[in-house]
Amino acid sequence: GQQVMQIPQYQHVQEGEDFTTYCNSSTTLSNIQWYKQRPGGHPVFLIQLVKSGEVKKQKRLTFQFGEAKKNSSLHITATQTTDVGTYFCAGYETSGSRLTFGEGTQLTVNP
Amino acid sequence: ETGVTQTPRHLVMGMTNKKSLKCEQHLGHNAMYWYKQSAKKPLELMFVYSLEERVENNSVPSRFSPECPNSSHLFLHLHTLQPEDSALYLCASSQDLSVGYTFGSGTRLTVV
Repeated sequence: GQQVMQIPQYQHVQEGEDFTTYCNSSTTLSNIQWYKQRPGGHPVFLIQLVKSGEVKKQKRLTFQFGEAKKNSSLHITATQTTDVGTYFCAGYETSGSRLTFGEGTQLTVNP
Repeated sequence: ETGVTQTPRHLVMGMTNKKSLKCEQHLGHNAMYWYKQSAKKPLELMFVYSLEERVENNSVPSRFSPECPNSSHLFLHLHTLQPEDSALYLCASSQDLSVGYTFGSGTRLTVV
């Protein structure tokens, strides 16, 4: 079945440093989605990428979808303490009815 | 509130008990989902309902029984659970199967 792998599993940064998490799928995706889960909270939808090579920005967050539609990345510029949480990618297969989540990258930001 | 309401927020139950988790969405979505989130594990899909029809049952043990009486409500009936079933149970909804999900706050379940 489809697998979605995410690295790194954990990332500790100093406030102001950049952060990147990478997502790779074993199959070609129809779209990829990113979610953020704060400690003690629930996943919150951030964005969806659909097109090959697509790049989208949300303030300090930059999301990319690979040309082959099998990988994606999330980059945060100049992290802040409010960025703390676990970032999940989730891939939707071209044929299927399920969204498969990666294991998540847990980000800690030291002030 | 996210538009997806889950009750109860916390539940402690014995292995012989029967309980139900409730999820209600106020977003007009046509798909609803149950996920299990255990410590240090990825989100595990349990059930998918689209237009009130179950379209996915991800090899979940029969001690978990979903019910979707209409497009706004989803239940998860629990009976004779095991301690390893302790987890955060998340409900989500979406406009269709491929777009972003809105998650509820979850039910933290502890089986003793």
